[in-house]
Amino acid sequence: KAGVTQTPRYLIKTRGQQVTLSCSPISGHRSVSWYQQTPGQGLQFLFEYFSETQRNKGNFPGRFSGRQFSNSRSEMNVSTLELGDSALYLCASSADHPFNEKLFFGSGTQLSVL
Amino acid sequence: QKEVEQNSGPLSVPEGAIASLNCTYSDRGSQSFFWYRQYSGKSPELIMSIYSNGDKEDGRFTAQLNKASQYVSLLIRDSQPSDSATYLCAVTLGGNTGKLIFGQGTTLQVKP
Repeated sequence: KAGVTQTPRYLIKTRGQQVTLSCSPISGHRSVSWYQQTPGQGLQFLFEYFSETQRNKGNFPGRFSGRQFSNSRSEMNVSTLELGDSALYLCASSADHPFNEKLFFGSGTQLSVL
Repeated sequence: QKEVEQNSGPLSVPEGAIASLNCTYSDRGSQSFFWYRQYSGKSPELIMSIYSNGDKEDGRFTAQLNKASQYVSLLIRDSQPSDSATYLCAVTLGGNTGKLIFGQGTTLQVKP
């Protein structure tokens, strides 16, 4: 089985722009979670989608949003980028059978905001 | 108080020793507990899961859970230099379909 695929791998944007990151989960996995990882804050939970519905949400501002499609692929969007949004964004999928027993992480998208 | 807390370390142990990593969590209703390992420049990978009070062993790894004390630990026996990594404690908050929250991670260094 192919693993979790995230695109793009690297991204450079300027303040005020918006960005969309993509995640393709492992085939058959219906849950997709997004995390932001920075050296100072560690892994911070953004949101989790299950069957196209946002099931859980972290404590990030409304500039961070996401969605999940019927094929379980997910996208996250960050609008009006700030310097502090520079981070590694990790997507993880889970079989959710019966619950999120094991997360499989993608390689991440490294976002740099200049 | 953070939802999941770990000592960031680094924790340095000699090769062959036992490494002990600790984690506390705030949600008394949490049901699922995990340890992930993250090598530098790589993504986290699951190494242990535990759901009931007590010990769970898998090879050189033992996870320990004490729900009354809201405490999870990971023991690594016969530590090897290849075990040098950041170990992340993760707890599902708000029930089993709740969000999976990670601690800051503890950096382990195993010295030959």
